[in-house]
Amino acid sequence: NAGVTQTPKFRVLKTGQSMTLLCAQDMNHEYMYWYRQDPGMGLRLIHYSVGEGTTAKGEVPDGYNVSRLKKQNFLLGLESAAPSQTSVYFCASSYSPFGDTQYFGPGTRLTVL
Amino acid sequence: RKEVEQDPGPFNVPEGATVAFNCTYSNSASQSFFWYRQDCRKEPKLLMSVYSSGNEDGRFTAQLNRASQYISLLIRDSKLSDSATYLCVVNKSGGSYIPTFGRGTSLIVHP
Repeated sequence: NAGVTQTPKFRVLKTGQSMTLLCAQDMNHEYMYWYRQDPGMGLRLIHYSVGEGTTAKGEVPDGYNVSRLKKQNFLLGLESAAPSQTSVYFCASSYSPFGDTQYFGPGTRLTVL
Repeated sequence: RKEVEQDPGPFNVPEGATVAFNCTYSNSASQSFFWYRQDCRKEPKLLMSVYSSGNEDGRFTAQLNRASQYISLLIRDSKLSDSATYLCVVNKSGGSYIPTFGRGTSLIVHP
């Protein structure tokens, strides 16, 4: 089992460029999440999904879009990157939302110049 | 007031010491609680869930105080390898589900 994997691990973008971050899990989890982590801010939920074909907004969704076309994959898109989106992005998955462990991917370090 | 608050620390303790962290939450509808550990430049990993009656896992003890709306983590006989950031997570039930993380408490255990 690979658990939760994220692609890419590092990326540098220029302002206005677009990119997609890929998250994949092989644990057959229904729930998947995208977080960003900034110094002193902790983890903040961007978007989440409660199953294939569904997505919902989290705490900080502006500037991001997501898709969950397959149960095992959760994509995070930045249509027009801004320096404020420089952060470490973590994907996570869980079997159920309540009282259940979230398993995190290794993170993607994104810098927007 | 933030929904979940933690003292960022750092807590600087010698090996063998006992150290405790608290995490306060503002939403009384919160239903489940966890402590995660995050090493530098790594992903968070579950340390332990927090049950209403309190629970222990080796040197780690977690407790929940619903009346005062806080959870705690006690680490006994600290090891150098315990140095990390400890994140509390609070989940609400019903409606839109958003797990809320605290900002984390940094622990440094020195020889």
